[in-house]
Amino acid sequence: AQTVTQSQPEMSVQEAETVTLSCTYDTSESDYYLFWYKQPPSRQMILVIRQEAYKQQNATENRFSVNFQKAAKSFSLKISDSQLGDAAMYFCAYRLGGAQKLVFGQGTRLTINP
Amino acid sequence: NAGVTQTPKFQVLKTGQSMTLQCAQDMNHNSMYWYRQDPGMGLRLIYYSASEGTTDKGEVPNGYNVSRLNKREFSLRLESAAPSQTSVYFCASSSIRDRYNYGYTFGSGTRLTVV
Repeated sequence: AQTVTQSQPEMSVQEAETVTLSCTYDTSESDYYLFWYKQPPSRQMILVIRQEAYKQQNATENRFSVNFQKAAKSFSLKISDSQLGDAAMYFCAYRLGGAQKLVFGQGTRLTINP
Repeated sequence: NAGVTQTPKFQVLKTGQSMTLQCAQDMNHNSMYWYRQDPGMGLRLIYYSASEGTTDKGEVPNGYNVSRLNKREFSLRLESAAPSQTSVYFCASSSIRDRYNYGYTFGSGTRLTVV
């Protein structure tokens, strides 16, 4: 079974600085997708960024980027120029290609210090 | 607005009571899901329905039943609530044809407390 592990229950960063959230996963498949979701206090699940395993290039969405290390099964999220609105719970998730179920990590609570 | 609608948003139950969480989507998605979120455990899949007329167990199905009433609606029932079912419940839907985010849309969640 596929598993996703986020080893940092909590992280904090100063406003305007850069922070990296870690995620590792376990799979024997070659066709899969990885996601980072943001959950603010409103509880809404918001897709931040996604990565297709077959793509070597790391995905980027404005201040958010990933470091995808396929051989190491690592998928970290880097947030640059952190803003107060980035404070939230962040979940890493995995989906097998062809299937649609998401498998989530335990989550990392990110605090932004002004 | 298009999306996934869950009701209720909050609920308190006594141990042994039953209730049904309702979920409806208006995006013509084929697949629907129920997850529960607990501190330190992320979101875990309870049941899912890959298409109308089918349902399958997820990672934590014990104590729950589901009904895919039609393409739009997917309900989750607790027949005899237990304190261990205190959690936040999310409904989601997806369509493999939605290329932007691979079709995952989440409801706003239901906070359920069993006392």
